[in-house]
Amino acid sequence: ETGVTQTPRHLVMGMTNKKSLKCEQHLGHNAMYWYKQSAKKPLELMFVYNFKEQTENNSVPSRFSPECPNSSHLFLHLHTLQPEDSALYLCASSHSDGNTEAFFGQGTRLTVV
Amino acid sequence: GESVGLHLPTLSVQEGDNSIINCAYSNSASDYFIWYKQESGKGPQFIIDIRSNMDKRQGQRVTVLLNKTVKHLSLQIAATQPGDSAVYFCAENTPWGATNKLIFGTGTLLAVQP
Repeated sequence: ETGVTQTPRHLVMGMTNKKSLKCEQHLGHNAMYWYKQSAKKPLELMFVYNFKEQTENNSVPSRFSPECPNSSHLFLHLHTLQPEDSALYLCASSHSDGNTEAFFGQGTRLTVV
Repeated sequence: GESVGLHLPTLSVQEGDNSIINCAYSNSASDYFIWYKQESGKGPQFIIDIRSNMDKRQGQRVTVLLNKTVKHLSLQIAATQPGDSAVYFCAENTPWGATNKLIFGTGTLLAVQP
């Protein structure tokens, strides 16, 4: 266990559905991240939140909408996704000073049908 | 541009042998580097890190070497065991505005043969 918990672990959704991914950490970290991991591709940084403020949106389509209500929780709201959005979505957290490693959750395996 | 890449996508070794996984990075401003291990069905897990003011760091059975001249990073695993089979990622921590971002390579699959 890394201290970063993601739910659900698996999600199957239709292209017209709305769903949300949840991430929670109680490590005292101030920075939280969403990554997308597709087969045979590098981990792609999607969003960065630093002290609850979004500091990075890496050209992610608007059908992905992040929310960070506090430093311990991070959500990714999903709406009208495409089959090519099927991937492993990983949440991570770290201290915001950038001098320590990021801790990852187990990920949510998303399948869009 | 920024990139972190791995020279070998797949590495197959015999149990007990030493493994070396290589990584190249391009951003000379990166000051912190991390190796992660990702087993099937799990998120990446921290193995070892190194800062840019060092050229070598050792852990338990693992050693990371950093060559800033050629922007090269390597992970050495001594006496490789079946439990070491996983995908290994290098990541460089790059200053980005008020925070930092980790840039990952594509990963190397390490397959340990018994």
